[in-house]
Amino acid sequence: DQQVKQNSPSLSVQEGRISILNCDYTNSMFDYFLWYKKYPAEGPTFLISISSIKDKNEDGRFTVFLNKSAKHLSLHIVPSQPGDSAVYFCAAINTDKLIFGTGTRLQVFP
Amino acid sequence: DAGVIQSPRHEVTEMGQEVTLRCKPISGHNSLFWYRQTMMRGLELLIYFNNNVPIDDSGMPEDRFSAKMPNASFSTLKIQPSEPRDSAVYFCASSQGYAKNIQYFGAGTRLSVL
Repeated sequence: DQQVKQNSPSLSVQEGRISILNCDYTNSMFDYFLWYKKYPAEGPTFLISISSIKDKNEDGRFTVFLNKSAKHLSLHIVPSQPGDSAVYFCAAINTDKLIFGTGTRLQVFP
Repeated sequence: DAGVIQSPRHEVTEMGQEVTLRCKPISGHNSLFWYRQTMMRGLELLIYFNNNVPIDDSGMPEDRFSAKMPNASFSTLKIQPSEPRDSAVYFCASSQGYAKNIQYFGAGTRLSVL
């Protein structure tokens, strides 16, 4: 049973526009969330995180929003660049380990 | 630092054979994680170690899978006997401390069991 769900397997966005990647979770005990980015033939790399005591965290072009009541978080990328094309994984902390979603493949086209 | 190093990068084997995947974590990191990536289930945690001790192996699919960490700089994941459904990309990651600390991933081993 997937505790962290990324229901959109893929997303295509034009360069310069906003990319919005969504993630839903089922366990209200999760208290920390992360996004990882993965390029082909490489391992995932950490992108941004957010604690459950916050509803927003921003780092340059990347912003993560957390809606605890809806058990939903989203990653906004503004403006999107071709180099952002990758698979994005949402993850949540369950006690002492990460629970990952299935990933969303983002393609940014010129 | 060279990062987390995994070997081999690709492994093709026949059903029933033993497969051993290797991982060298980042020096100074005391936690090591093994993950499996599939299209259907994404990244699944198989097992993790802290200070070379297995802490949680609840993600290990079955007895055919075993993992060891004989010292702070080396870990293995073994599948014996391998089956076609084990075909996936296996990642090793390391971190300083537990899950809230950033995990650094290796490039993965792509396993194909024919």
